[in-house]
Amino acid sequence: EAGVTQFPSHSVIEKGQTVTLRCDPISGHDNLYWYRRVMGKEIKFLLHFVKESKQDESGMPNNRFLAERTGGTYSTLKVQPAELEDSGVYFCASSQLRGGITEAFFGQGTRLTVV
Amino acid sequence: GESVGLHLPTLSVQEGDNSIINCAYSNSASDYFIWYKQESGKGPQFIIDIRSNMDKRQGQRVTVLLNKTVKHLSLQIAATQPGDSAVYFCAEKTGANSKLTFGKGITLSVRP
Repeated sequence: EAGVTQFPSHSVIEKGQTVTLRCDPISGHDNLYWYRRVMGKEIKFLLHFVKESKQDESGMPNNRFLAERTGGTYSTLKVQPAELEDSGVYFCASSQLRGGITEAFFGQGTRLTVV
Repeated sequence: GESVGLHLPTLSVQEGDNSIINCAYSNSASDYFIWYKQESGKGPQFIIDIRSNMDKRQGQRVTVLLNKTVKHLSLQIAATQPGDSAVYFCAEKTGANSKLTFGKGITLSVRP
């Protein structure tokens, strides 16, 4: 079974440009989460989808970030316009939606560098 | 790849020794705790978890201890191997499907 996959693995863009990150969760996982790690610091939560609905977007830093999950399958995270402080590694994770606690599986991350 | 250990505290151990990695958490309402391992260029990988109604859980070569009184979590790795070198993160969550809140990572470096 394929794990969580993210594309691209690396992206280098200029300040002011737009970048779109993609995450394909494990098939059947209704929970999808975006996290990011900036400058080697701790991993911070961005937002949480349950199927196609945004369950919690309290971690989104500002309105330059837009996440979508049309159809409840893959998700995209767009940064427009990108700023220098957006550089970091963006992780996606997915898990099953159940009453009990389930393990979240992470993708390999997208390393975004804004120059 | 990413410098996963940049700016993080480092624990250096001799191969074959036991490692203890500590973490303080902040939310007394958290009911689930997890340790993740992150190697350079990879995403966080699940190691072991523990629920708030337990104080100890053992896996293969790893043990997690939870002290809710002082909000402290630790990961013990027995007979540390070079492949254990990575950044380790503790994480907590409240509720089955809620977000993970990560602690500051610790870099484990294993000396041959």
